[in-house]
Amino acid sequence: AQRVTQPEKLLSVFKGAPVELKCNYSYSGSPELFWYVQYSRQRLQLLLRHISRESIKGFTADLNKGETSFHLKKPFAQEEDSAMYYCALLITDSWGKFQFGAGTQVVVTP
Amino acid sequence: DAGVTQSPTHLIKTRGQQVTLRCSPKSGHDTVSWYQQALGQGPQFIFQYYEEEERQRGNFPDRFSGHQFPNYSSELNVNALLLGDSALYLCASSFRDRPYEQYFGPGTRLTVT
Repeated sequence: AQRVTQPEKLLSVFKGAPVELKCNYSYSGSPELFWYVQYSRQRLQLLLRHISRESIKGFTADLNKGETSFHLKKPFAQEEDSAMYYCALLITDSWGKFQFGAGTQVVVTP
Repeated sequence: DAGVTQSPTHLIKTRGQQVTLRCSPKSGHDTVSWYQQALGQGPQFIFQYYEEEERQRGNFPDRFSGHQFPNYSSELNVNALLLGDSALYLCASSFRDRPYEQYFGPGTRLTVT
């Protein structure tokens, strides 16, 4: 069965420091991975998708099929990055069913 | 476009009761997915509706049922409520050709006492 694991419930970093959110997955098919973000009092929204290979708000994520990981990174954290981050696996034999991780709360302090 | 809207915002029910939650998709979207998010957990897929049919389902009992209307809006019904059904219920809409591009609503907070 498919699974998404985010081992850190909380990450506290200082402004300007690098931040890395870990995500590991287990899936027998061809994985499509996403990162979603939820800022305080806002709805869940897509941050980035591995296929697009974009950098959004300074964040990047590389899919490592050998290590079955999709870690999210930003070299210099900003206070506005404080939010809840969810790693999500799109089940590719479905019509858009996502398997989400439990989420990591990021707190950026000045 | 207000995006995905859900009603009500909050709901308190008693164990054993039934509840109906509603969702209006983003303009132009024809597919609606429902997720349950328990406290401290990520969203869990309940089911998805397309063309007024349940197209796929997650690991939820048949106490959870739904409906999609011709205007693509959707309802989630939960019968015989249990304390464990207390959660945030999220609706997400998408277009059939872009299933990965899901837009989420603000959610309905259900509390079962």
